[in-house]
Amino acid sequence: NAGVTQTPKFQVLKTGQSMTLQCAQDMNHNSMYWYRQDPGMGLRLIYYSASEGTTDKGEVPNGYNVSRLNKREFSLRLESAAPSQTSVYFCASGELQSVAFFGQGTRLTVV
Amino acid sequence: GNSVTQMEGPVTLSEEAFLTINCTYTATGYPSLFWYVQYPGEGLQLLLKATKADDKGSNKGFEATYRKETTSFHLEKGSVQVSDSAVYFCALTDNTNAGKSTFGDGTTLTVKP
Repeated sequence: NAGVTQTPKFQVLKTGQSMTLQCAQDMNHNSMYWYRQDPGMGLRLIYYSASEGTTDKGEVPNGYNVSRLNKREFSLRLESAAPSQTSVYFCASGELQSVAFFGQGTRLTVV
Repeated sequence: GNSVTQMEGPVTLSEEAFLTINCTYTATGYPSLFWYVQYPGEGLQLLLKATKADDKGSNKGFEATYRKETTSFHLEKGSVQVSDSAVYFCALTDNTNAGKSTFGDGTTLTVKP
């Protein structure tokens, strides 16, 4: 009954450091998404993957890269972290026009 | 492009009060509409959905009706409980763009005993 699993749950980075957020889903969904959530700004889409082997930019892709490793896994990489990337990151999966299932989130602080 | 506008919060109610959180949308085509709930420290969870005009979604005493003529999907509950305190997000997905969802900014509900 795992659904969408994200790791890590918390992370503190120094400016300029890099890191990868991992996400895996066990519901055999084709589509996967990365969002960031900031106070008063709702959820903003960073990148998405409509199917294995494809990725596309969302609303706020600058400073991020993604990899759709296989159907289950979709990772988000910060190459050189900046304080503006302090946020809560959510991975989600779903199908066309269907509900999205969300992970528990990763709280990232860049100092 | 698509957009979702939610009633601004925060909303504070007493237990057993009636709840309405307004949501209107702009979209091309015929989107599906959703309400998600987020409890502190957790991810979003689906609360209810409606996939076509005049559909009513319902769950845990919450209801919302897909109104195409007014492009609205207002969330209602007749009698709120303290445990309903959370952030509520209205969202839509269309039948293009890989089913990407567009979210409102969220409305924080606090229910006091």
